[in-house]
Amino acid sequence: DGGITQSPKYLFRKEGQNVTLSCEQNLNHDAMYWYRQDPGQGLRLIYYSQIVNDFQKGDIAEGYSVSREKKESFPLTVTSAQKNPTAFYLCASSPRRDRDPPNQPQHFGDGTRLSIL
Amino acid sequence: AQSVTQLDSHVSVSEGTPVLLRCNYSSSYSPSLFWYVQHPNKGLQLLLKYTSAATLVKGINGFEAEFKKSETSFHLTKPSAHMSDAAEYFCVVTATGRRALTFGSGTRLQVQP
Repeated sequence: DGGITQSPKYLFRKEGQNVTLSCEQNLNHDAMYWYRQDPGQGLRLIYYSQIVNDFQKGDIAEGYSVSREKKESFPLTVTSAQKNPTAFYLCASSPRRDRDPPNQPQHFGDGTRLSIL
Repeated sequence: AQSVTQLDSHVSVSEGTPVLLRCNYSSSYSPSLFWYVQHPNKGLQLLLKYTSAATLVKGINGFEAEFKKSETSFHLTKPSAHMSDAAEYFCVVTATGRRALTFGSGTRLQVQP
């Protein structure tokens, strides 16, 4: 079955440590996204990529970095510069936008919960 | 600019009674609107979408939503709640010039037996 796989499901970070969250999709989607979810809040966009080797900052990119070397993979690194990283991280993908406004829904993975040790 | 306001952070209904989750949106352009559902520690699943076709949109699991441009609303309804409907629901908007989605803050639906 096609879908999005996020790993690990739970992750713990020590002070000063960088950690990388994995996101892989086999839907042949061009666009991929990373969101952060905090309790009682909606999702906020961290980074997105519309095509391989290109990505853009979202609303809360500080303290995060991404790469898009392959179409199916969009890993997110939470750096030590992110002072409040505890959250639920969701990866999503969608087919490439072919019109405005975009009407293709996004498909989501099951998330990674990151906590501080 | 675009934004979404979900008017209730929590809604509690009895099993078998109707569900109404309210959503108002703001958009400078003709929007696309979505409702997603999230079960605990899971990703989001698309319930339904509005993309400028019929204003009454039917989705999965018996849910539907009506796009009302004059009221800038996109409320989610279901005639009869089931215990399995207990989850968090997000109203989402996207519009011309935006590369991603704008999420509401969510409504937690509780279903009492």
